[in-house]
Amino acid sequence: QVQVVQSGAEVKKPGASVKVSCKVSGYTLTDLSIHWVRQAPGKGLEWMGGFDAEESETIYAQRFQGRVTMTEDTSTDTAYMELSSLTSDDTAVYYCATDPPNFDYWGQGTLVTVSS
Amino acid sequence: QSALTQPASVSGSPGQSITISCTGSSSDLGAYNFVSWFQQHPGKTPKLMIYEVTKRPSGVSDRFAGSKSGNTASLTISGLQAEDEADYYCSSHTDSNTYVFGSGTRVTVL
Repeated sequence: QVQVVQSGAEVKKPGASVKVSCKVSGYTLTDLSIHWVRQAPGKGLEWMGGFDAEESETIYAQRFQGRVTMTEDTSTDTAYMELSSLTSDDTAVYYCATDPPNFDYWGQGTLVTVSS
Repeated sequence: QSALTQPASVSGSPGQSITISCTGSSSDLGAYNFVSWFQQHPGKTPKLMIYEVTKRPSGVSDRFAGSKSGNTASLTISGLQAEDEADYYCSSHTDSNTYVFGSGTRVTVL
């Protein structure tokens, strides 16, 4: 059984960056493909990007290109999502989820609040 | 990539069946059988209910069934129960090698 635990809530000022972590257990990160999904307050789910195991590359949603970086540390089985140039529109719960297209397992979510 | 289109809300009485539609295009839903459905209760993490159009993960009730025709996928919940009241989202792989979620449907049990 895969377990996915994310880092805690963050409060950031506009223009800053945030880095959210996602630690997996039960499997190693090399056995999984981690993707990131966010959900603004009262809104729907939005796919941000993730690792494509077949192509061995990280793919990003076009709207986040140039502003998001997703990395992995296989020594600690931890994935990271860093989003820069934050605005109030980036206030959301950020989730990591495993193995698209099914997205079988999800982290508990990390609330990122962007406020001056 | 625009969100897949779902009705904003669907309601039904206990014991009834309801169907939630998810409409995309020939670049996503119509091109792949990688359609998933997620249930999300308020303040909770999304839960996978259906994957690859029709398959149920272990532990998901057989009251949930998925299907697809052309560019539209559907989730049917039969024998509606109070615990089914939640938001439901579809998702699909796309021909840009990306993923897209539906706009979400609030299911209300009357």
